[in-house]
Amino acid sequence: AQSVTQLGSHVSVSEGALVLLRCNYSSSVPPYLFWYVQYPNQGLQLLLKYTSAATLVKGINGFEAEFKKSETSFHLTKPSAHMSDAAEYFCAVSSSRGYNKLIFGAGTRLAVHP
Amino acid sequence: DSGVTQTPKHLITATGQRVTLRCSPRSGDLSVYWYQQSLDQGLQFLIQYYNGEERAKGNILERFSAQQFPDLHSELNLSSLELGDSALYFCASSVDGGTNYNEQFFGPGTRLTVL
Repeated sequence: AQSVTQLGSHVSVSEGALVLLRCNYSSSVPPYLFWYVQYPNQGLQLLLKYTSAATLVKGINGFEAEFKKSETSFHLTKPSAHMSDAAEYFCAVSSSRGYNKLIFGAGTRLAVHP
Repeated sequence: DSGVTQTPKHLITATGQRVTLRCSPRSGDLSVYWYQQSLDQGLQFLIQYYNGEERAKGNILERFSAQQFPDLHSELNLSSLELGDSALYFCASSVDGGTNYNEQFFGPGTRLTVL
């Protein structure tokens, strides 16, 4: 079975500050891992994905994430927050073997204040 | 714009009724996935179709059913609706059926309100 835990349902940062959103996963098989962003009243957009290539993954809008097998983590970071980054962020896992339904975490709402 | 379209955007109905949500995948994508997003359950996988065949099933209630048509569009049918079925229903599509990972592209969702 697979699961995802996102630590912190709400994170608030100042504009220009580091963004760190935490994600831990559980998987009995090698996982594929993803971060999606959801802006208000919109669908989900893929930020980045880990599919067993490089452990440091760069995504869109300046985000990156590092896969750490020993810590079963896939935390999302951005060096400098922008007001436009305010949204809800979802970490998700799927199996690298067979069907690729996504198992999502509960989400983290990021607020960016001036 | 992901290229995945969903209709209608909003749906308001009464308990006990039946509704149909429609999804058109991106051009060339063979797989369609349905997800439910609610405040208490979060984002949950419901069901996947690949090229017209059911491929995987998640936490989908027996009152719910889906199908994928020869033109690859999909419909999610929800019947005997209850208040707890109020949620945002997303459709996603990908190129293949999951034997190798392909990115899932999400539609804008259908917001269902059951009164």
